[in-house]
Amino acid sequence: DAGVIQSPRHEVTEMGQEVTLRCKPISGHDYLFWYRQTMMRGLELLIYFNNNVPIDDSGMPEDRFSAKMPNASFSTLKIQPSEPRDSAVYFCASSLGPPEADTQYFGPGTRLTVL
Amino acid sequence: GENVEQHPSTLSVQEGDSAVIKCTYSDSASNYFPWYKQELGKGPQLIIDIRSNVGEKKDQRIAVTLNKTAKHFSLHITETQPEDSAVYFCAASSLGQNFVFGPGTRLSVLP
Repeated sequence: DAGVIQSPRHEVTEMGQEVTLRCKPISGHDYLFWYRQTMMRGLELLIYFNNNVPIDDSGMPEDRFSAKMPNASFSTLKIQPSEPRDSAVYFCASSLGPPEADTQYFGPGTRLTVL
Repeated sequence: GENVEQHPSTLSVQEGDSAVIKCTYSDSASNYFPWYKQELGKGPQLIIDIRSNVGEKKDQRIAVTLNKTAKHFSLHITETQPEDSAVYFCAASSLGQNFVFGPGTRLSVLP
């Protein structure tokens, strides 16, 4: 298996623009997670899905952030409008089972820079 | 909610020496404790994990110990090699809850 696939790997945009990050989980994994990593705040969970249904979105910073999982093999994280403080590395991860029971496999991340 | 602390934040060791990273957690219901290694420009990768019904687990040069009473767990790397240089994250989770990650430890193995 190719592992978790994320695109793009790097994104540079200007403040106010819409940004869409994409993720393809490992085939057969029922859980998908979106994380944000910054020097100041470390690794933070934004949202996670089980069988395409959002389970916990308490980490989503504000209404500018939205995530969807239209099918088992694809998810998007959208920021609209983007702000400089959104600059971070965004990771997608997937797992076979729930967080307390199974390993999460991380993708390579998308480095987002908002100017 | 869960809070995970991790120490030290940076650690430098000579090649061949051992490295120990310690984490404490706050939620006594936590029962799954993974350790992740993150190399520069990559996503975190699981290196070892332990569950609350086990006190110690070993995998070649890597071992993890868990003290549920004291609510702390540690990562031990023996015979360190330059390729062990990375940022290491501990995490804790309980039933129905996602991982809470520690802030990370940057390990440097000096040749």
